[in-house]
Amino acid sequence: EIVLTQSPSTLSLSPGERATLSCRASQSVSSNYLAWYQQKPGQAPRFLIYGASSRATGIPDRFSGSGSGTDFTLTISRLEPEDFAVYYCQQYGSSPLYSFGQGTNLEIK
Amino acid sequence: EVQLVESGGGLVKPGGSLRLSCAASGFTFSNAWMSWVRQGPGKGLEWVGRIKSKTGGGTTDYAAPVKGRFTVSRDDSINTLYLQMNSLKMEDTGVYYCAAGDYGGFHIWGQGTMVSVSS
Repeated sequence: EIVLTQSPSTLSLSPGERATLSCRASQSVSSNYLAWYQQKPGQAPRFLIYGASSRATGIPDRFSGSGSGTDFTLTISRLEPEDFAVYYCQQYGSSPLYSFGQGTNLEIK
Repeated sequence: EVQLVESGGGLVKPGGSLRLSCAASGFTFSNAWMSWVRQGPGKGLEWVGRIKSKTGGGTTDYAAPVKGRFTVSRDDSINTLYLQMNSLKMEDTGVYYCAAGDYGGFHIWGQGTMVSVSS
């Protein structure tokens, strides 16, 4: 079973700062099968990144993804007020078929 | 407009059953792999089950906690996805989302429907 561990659990930053969120897998994950989502309170998740580094349609270029193997990163270059939310990484694999990290809460400092 | 709209949530007693529906519009539903994802109160996201498109084989897969109790199905003639939930437990409580996407991720999400399992 592949387990995704996100760090930190909570990240406190100010608008304009750079955010770096980590996602570590217990086994190697194909880069093609690693995605990131943003979720705001009371809303459905929003698809941000697929294939570890490709932005989904309509996602601003301040969002970028990187990594391979077991270590992946979501970077937000300059935080906007609307970026404060919970972020999840997700992988597609054999067991379970899909799994999510526990989330990183990006909060305003 | 690309849209997924869930319905059918509600309050049910432990051991009871519920069927959720998800109506799709704005994209070719029959070609889409569809999943159900749930979120317990104050918790993270948990994948529940998936059904491939008919051309992809139409097969289903389930997460271990729901296997044997939940069934995902689809009716491509009316662009609708279903989740039949039987033998419900308190830990099945949460918001249930339908989502479209394959191994690359879930690029379309519904707004969710709440399921509460309580005596």
